[in-house]
Amino acid sequence: QKEVEQDPGPLSVPEGAIVSLNCTYSNSAFQYFMWYRQYSRKGPELLMYTYSSGNKEDGRFTAQVDKSSKYISLFIRDSQPSDSATYLCAMSASGQNFVFGPGTRLSVLP
Amino acid sequence: EAGVAQSPRYKIIEKRQSVAFWCNPISGHATLYWYQQILGQGPKLLIQFQNNGVVDDSQLPKDRFSAERLKGVDSTLKIQPAKLEDSAVYLCASSLGTRESQPQHFGDGTRLSIL
Repeated sequence: QKEVEQDPGPLSVPEGAIVSLNCTYSNSAFQYFMWYRQYSRKGPELLMYTYSSGNKEDGRFTAQVDKSSKYISLFIRDSQPSDSATYLCAMSASGQNFVFGPGTRLSVLP
Repeated sequence: EAGVAQSPRYKIIEKRQSVAFWCNPISGHATLYWYQQILGQGPKLLIQFQNNGVVDDSQLPKDRFSAERLKGVDSTLKIQPAKLEDSAVYLCASSLGTRESQPQHFGDGTRLSIL
């Protein structure tokens, strides 16, 4: 079992839809969680950072962490064609480096 | 603020040749990372520097890969000799420090193709 797993997609949704992107993990010591967006031929760009469990909202983006289920989610409301990208989750335990998931490719169709 | 700069953007070489990548981090960022991102996968950490010292190089294939960060600013990553499986995007990232709460800022990477 890989340490961090994501549905690779591609996930295609119509413009305006609510998108749910998910990661599961096996290491119960993980407590720092990040979501990155990566456009084609670009480097990853940090979207959201959360510590431990709970929700965090930033504009159209909401990050959710459920440590009991070892499951994190990123919700995108009112999705736009400009949201089309690969979304990477990353997580770490205290004092450890981040481990990235393989990414989910999202296409938002106009 | 200027972002993380990397060069070259693309490189094509034949197997067994050598290649070098350069990274200039965000000004003032003490921590610098090199990642390898194979197509369809997430970035995998190769080496982490804190100023000019190595913090973590546990996943660096040291028989062929080397990296240095002279004067604690710019860094170079070298592969010698290259293998077919080294075809990937090499990403450089920097952060203010090593704490988990300090986000990593990535450059756009060097896309390496091995023929």
